[in-house]
Order: sequence, then structure tokens, then C-alpha cells
Amino acid sequence: AQKVTQAQTEISVVEKEDVTLDCVYETRDTTYYLFWYKQPPSGELVFLIRRNSFDEQNEISGRYSWNFQKSTSSFNFTITASQVVDSAVYFCALKRAQAGTALIFGKGTTLSVSS
Amino acid sequence: DVKVTQSSRYLVKRTGEKVFLECVQDMDHENMFWYRQDPGLGLRLIYFSYDVKMKEKGDIPEGYSVSREKKERFSLILESASTNQTSMYLCASSSDSGDRETQYFGPGTRLLVL
Repeated sequence: AQKVTQAQTEISVVEKEDVTLDCVYETRDTTYYLFWYKQPPSGELVFLIRRNSFDEQNEISGRYSWNFQKSTSSFNFTITASQVVDSAVYFCALKRAQAGTALIFGKGTTLSVSS
Repeated sequence: DVKVTQSSRYLVKRTGEKVFLECVQDMDHENMFWYRQDPGLGLRLIYFSYDVKMKEKGDIPEGYSVSREKKERFSLILESASTNQTSMYLCASSSDSGDRETQYFGPGTRLLVL
């Protein structure tokens, strides 16, 4: 069975704080994909990153970084020096390798950044 | 840029009405998906389609049907809307080539059934 767990329902930070959003997944597949999406108040899911199961290299994009560890089945997302515009719901998702299969989402973490 | 559009951002319908939610993508994607999003439950897959006229049930297909007559358009149909179908509906598409794993989402339709 495939499952994604985002244990943090809500996180509140003050601007410029660093914050890490946790994601733990379950799968028996050897090849799979992991994603992070951002959903601002407007509602649209914005794609942030895709990580392949065979590539454990961490990634940094500006203030965003992702830590993928297969040993602990985790794919955590860190925002450095958070800003008010980072306030959103963040979803972690898992996908099997077969084409056309759907994403399996975690329940999301609501991040509130205050000034 | 990938563009997925949905026919309405907000919709109010009455119980028992037939409701059509339309989704159009302009990237020639083979796969299209319908999800619903509810507080505390995250996103759940209703139906998806991997080709014209093809459809597969997702996790929660009851009370819904879909139609895909053209590659770019995927419609979600509520045959007889009920109050428990009040939700946010999100459409997504993905390709079978290139970056075939990433799904791109539309802006969503917030449906209220009274």
C-alpha cells in the first residue's frame, strides 16, 4: 500500500525563521517519485519539486531545500528565512512509476508566516 | 508553460441538480485527473483518464461520472448533486513523455451544494 504522512497539521513561524515540513512515505515499489506542491490561498496547487527514488541527492532552490532519505522514507522540505508569501498549505505526494497513475497525497501542512 | 483551466472558480447548486465541471489543458497531455479536496482529508482521486474515451475509477468515484471526448477536455459530472459533494474540485494533467510523472493542476472549483 502507498501512503504519505505529514504529521504536522499546522505550523506558525515569524518571518525570517527557518521551518521544516516533514513528509514520511510508505511504498513497496523500488521506483517511485516524490513531490511537493504549494497551495496558496487562491487555491491552485503549484508544483515545487519532483524527486526520483533512485536519486537521493538533496536539492536547493533559493530559500527552498529538500532532504530525501530513503533509509527513513522521508522527504522533508525546509524553507530558510521564511517570508509572509510562504504562507500556504504544502502537500507532499507519492507516485508510482507506471505512466498515468495518480498522486497519493499527504493531508497537507498549513504554514503561517507572520511579520 | 503548462496551462490547465477549469470552467468555474465558484459554483452554487441545489440538491438534485446535474452539475458539470469542465477542465481543459493546452499541453497535449495524455492523462487527466479529477481530485476533490476536503479539510482534514487532503486530496482524493475521483477519476482519471489516460486517453480519449478511457477512464479509470479512483478512490472515491461514487456519485460521480466523467467524460473525455477530446484529448484536451475532461469533464466531471455529478448526476444528482448532494450536500456531501460540497467541496473543492481540482483537475490535473500529465504527459506520457518527457516529464511524465509531474501533474499540473488547474485553479480549482469550489462547489457549494445547498
